Amino acid sequence: GENVEQHPSTLSVQEGDSAVIKCTYSDSASNYFPWYKQELGKGPQLIIDIRSNVGEKKDQRIAVTLNKTAKHFSLHITETQPEDSAVYFCAASKYGGSQGNLIFGKGTKLSVKP
Amino acid sequence: DSGVTQTPKHLITATGQRVTLRCSPRSGDLSVYWYQQSLDQGLQFLIQYYNGEERAKGNILERFSAQQFPDLHSELNLSSLELGDSALYFCASSFQGATNEKLFFGSGTQLSVL
Repeated sequence: GENVEQHPSTLSVQEGDSAVIKCTYSDSASNYFPWYKQELGKGPQLIIDIRSNVGEKKDQRIAVTLNKTAKHFSLHITETQPEDSAVYFCAASKYGGSQGNLIFGKGTKLSVKP
Repeated sequence: DSGVTQTPKHLITATGQRVTLRCSPRSGDLSVYWYQQSLDQGLQFLIQYYNGEERAKGNILERFSAQQFPDLHSELNLSSLELGDSALYFCASSFQGATNEKLFFGSGTQLSVL
């Protein structure tokens, strides 16, 4: 089955700097890669997703890149702000299956220092 | 606010006991999912229901069971509780339960087994 590895487990940056979180997946058939942000005391919230037919997707200060050959994808946050501090989860799945195929990484705790 | 309601927010019980966690999905969503979140295992998929029927099953123990009622709310029943069952349990919902749908998570139920 699918396995998703996420690095680093913790990341501390200065406000205004960029943050990068990387994930690798094992199943070459996976073709949907969402990223969820979990703030303290709340449930995860989808912030961006990418499908395997594109290599990059941007939404304001966040972007996700996908390298299908290497089977890895990354989340990039530019001009970080204190409100970006949260735990970020990557995930991978295949179209056509149930949501049970959505496998999450173990999360990255991002701390943005003012 | 995701629109997904989970009750109770906190639950403290003893080993061997049985508890029921409740989830009301976002209005209009037909599919409900249950996840277990622990520090060492991350977000683990337990089970998915769609319009009252089980759609997918993950790493759910035999001591755990769930159901989705005609009004689409769902309950997760945990019995013969063990210390290791202590975790944050999330419910999520989506419209049709397809793989590439956005999941809306509730705020979770923190279960402590003493």
